[in-house]
Amino acid sequence: EPEVTQTPSHQVTQMGQEVILRCVPISNHLYFYWYRQILGQKVEFLVSFYNNEISEKSEIFDDQFSVERPDGSNFTLKIRSTKLEDSAMYFCASNSDTGELFFGEGSRLTVL
Amino acid sequence: GEDVEQSLFLSVREGDSSVINCTYTDSSSTYLYWYKQEPGAGLQLLTYIFSNMDMKQDQRLTVLLNKKDKHLSLRIADTQTGDSAIYFCAEDYGQNFVFGPGTRLSVLP
Repeated sequence: EPEVTQTPSHQVTQMGQEVILRCVPISNHLYFYWYRQILGQKVEFLVSFYNNEISEKSEIFDDQFSVERPDGSNFTLKIRSTKLEDSAMYFCASNSDTGELFFGEGSRLTVL
Repeated sequence: GEDVEQSLFLSVREGDSSVINCTYTDSSSTYLYWYKQEPGAGLQLLTYIFSNMDMKQDQRLTVLLNKKDKHLSLRIADTQTGDSAIYFCAEDYGQNFVFGPGTRLSVLP
């Protein structure tokens, strides 16, 4: 069964450092997303990406965040200068036109 | 903005039925979804319902949709200990998906 894969599964970083979270969406999907879930809180939308550009982003997705699809398979989320409050589980997701959203297992980011 | 609400906790005995409820605000959603999250794991799509349907059954899962009241429910028949998880209701909103806060289901032996 096709799946969305994410790396790393857990990253610990110092405040102010740059972090890149990587995702490999399902190969024939066209829409890609990043969500985050702060421990014990709800899943929050960050950004959606289609046709090599951001199609929608939330107010959480400020200038510290960026996304990129550097090649035909990877979809990355970069946090330029991490803050303590960026500690969360980050989920990548993808879908085609049918609507079913497939999620990765998540990357846990801990900012110290 | 769009909002999805759920009760946060539910406890049931093994073998009983569980009913997890959700209310949403966006009446233009095409699909409504239930996702399951086990501890430390990602979000797993359990089932979804097209917005012009009232009910969908999939083995032990029954989804009921009351579009007038904007109410969605997930019934799990014969609940097992392996069903213990957090269940998220979600609706599509444009290209975005809006999630509820999740209902933590605890299954007691």
